Amino acid sequence: SAVISQKPSRDICQRGTSLTIQCQVDSQVTMMFWYRQQPGQSLTLIATANQGSEATYESGFVIDKFPISRPNLTFSTLTVSNMSPEDSSIYLCSVAGATGELFFGEGSRLTVL
Amino acid sequence: GQQLNQSPQSMFIQEGEDVSMNCTSSSIFNTWLWYKQDPGEGPVLLIALYKAGELTSNGRLTAQFGITRKDSFLNISASIPSDVGIYFCAGQLQAGTALIFGKGTTLSVSS
Repeated sequence: SAVISQKPSRDICQRGTSLTIQCQVDSQVTMMFWYRQQPGQSLTLIATANQGSEATYESGFVIDKFPISRPNLTFSTLTVSNMSPEDSSIYLCSVAGATGELFFGEGSRLTVL
Repeated sequence: GQQLNQSPQSMFIQEGEDVSMNCTSSSIFNTWLWYKQDPGEGPVLLIALYKAGELTSNGRLTAQFGITRKDSFLNISASIPSDVGIYFCAGQLQAGTALIFGKGTTLSVSS
């Protein structure tokens, strides 16, 4: 399985600010996935990020709010822009293993005051 | 969009008991997966199922991919305190693509 590192692991942010979450993988991967897990809820896909192309966003998520970068095959960032308390969640990076199953980072827990 | 119905939502059991949880979908999936999430951690893959009818074990865990490809179950035998956590089922249409998750089953084990 891939080793996935996320930074920050947690942060407390002020309303109206933006925060960028980094995801580093120990191997080259084609697709990286960003998920959101709201408190007490399941995981919801935000977007799929391919290297060299624009990320594909799921319904309900827009690029202006969650811009994503994918500069190479081992790294991606997700920015949560103009945060409000409703953005308080765990944000998770995920990549596919050799047989297609997904592995997850430990997540970035954001609290917005 | 597609949704997975996972049940039960929560379970409170005694150590040593067996546990069963299941997941159903209105759509067909080509892969079913089961994850466990501990507090403050990301989901960890327990079992992946790739063929309809497949029955796979991982230690005390056993999972099956339903014949219709629209359901899966996970059994945990002889539960222990460290089994506590949230278990998620997930369906995947194609290998390497995004997952759709169930709402999770929260397992509590008392010793």
